Amino acid sequence: QSVLTQPPSVSGAPGQRVTISCTGSSSNIGAGYDIHWYQQLPGRAPKLLIYHNTNRPSGVPDRVSGSKSGTSASLAITGLQAEDEADYYCQSYDSRLTNWVFGGGTKLTVL
Amino acid sequence: QLQLQESGPGLVKPSETPSLTCTVSGASISSGHYWAWIRQSPGKGLEWIANVDYTGYTSYNPSLKSRVNISMDTSKNQFSLRLTSVTAADTAVYYCARQICTSHPCYAKFYFDSWGQGTLVTVSS
Repeated sequence: QSVLTQPPSVSGAPGQRVTISCTGSSSNIGAGYDIHWYQQLPGRAPKLLIYHNTNRPSGVPDRVSGSKSGTSASLAITGLQAEDEADYYCQSYDSRLTNWVFGGGTKLTVL
Repeated sequence: QLQLQESGPGLVKPSETPSLTCTVSGASISSGHYWAWIRQSPGKGLEWIANVDYTGYTSYNPSLKSRVNISMDTSKNQFSLRLTSVTAADTAVYYCARQICTSHPCYAKFYFDSWGQGTLVTVSS
C-alpha cells in the first residue's frame, strides 16, 4: 500500500477532460513537499510529465496540467487523445518514511 | 541528449547477489546531479531504492538499506547497484534514472527527469 493513494483507473472519451487524484497526508503532500507526475506507456519506462506541482517539461502539451491543495494533488488532461492511454503515477517525499515515494498508479483508458 | 542504459543478469537464484549497471551518455555523472535506482514490481508498484550524487555521497531506502549498495565509476560514466540475498520479492524491472534537484531543500523537491528503459531481474530457482 502506497502512502500516496491514486484511483486504480479512470476513463474518458476522446476530446473530454479527465482528472487523476493523488491523496496523501501530513507527512508528504500536506507537509508542503512537491508533487511530480509521470506517464508510463505500455512496455515503456516512466516519463516525466509534471514537476514541482505545476510545471511541464519541454515537449509536454499544455493540455496537461497539475495542481496541489492541502494533502492532495491532481493531474488534469483535456482534449483527451488515444495516445494518452497509459498509466500515470504521482511522486513526492515522505518525512515519516524518509523516502521518495510513488502513488500506486492510475490506468487511463480512452474509450 | 541524456541517455541511460541498464544492464543486468536477467535470471538469478534466491540468495545470490546480482549487480546492475547503468551506463550514462550525454552527461558526466561526476559533474552534477544525483543518480538513482528505482524498481517496479506488480505487487509493490514503483519503489525508489537508492541514489548517489556526483561526489559519491549515497542515500538508501530505509527498507532496503541493509541489502543494497550503490556505487559509481566515473572513469566509465557508470553507476551500479548490488542487491544481496535476493528472494522472489526482488523480482522486478529495475530502472536507473537521473534524480534532479533544481531548488532547495532538495529532499522536498527531487524528481526523476530521465529514465533508462529498464532491465528485468527475475529471482527463481
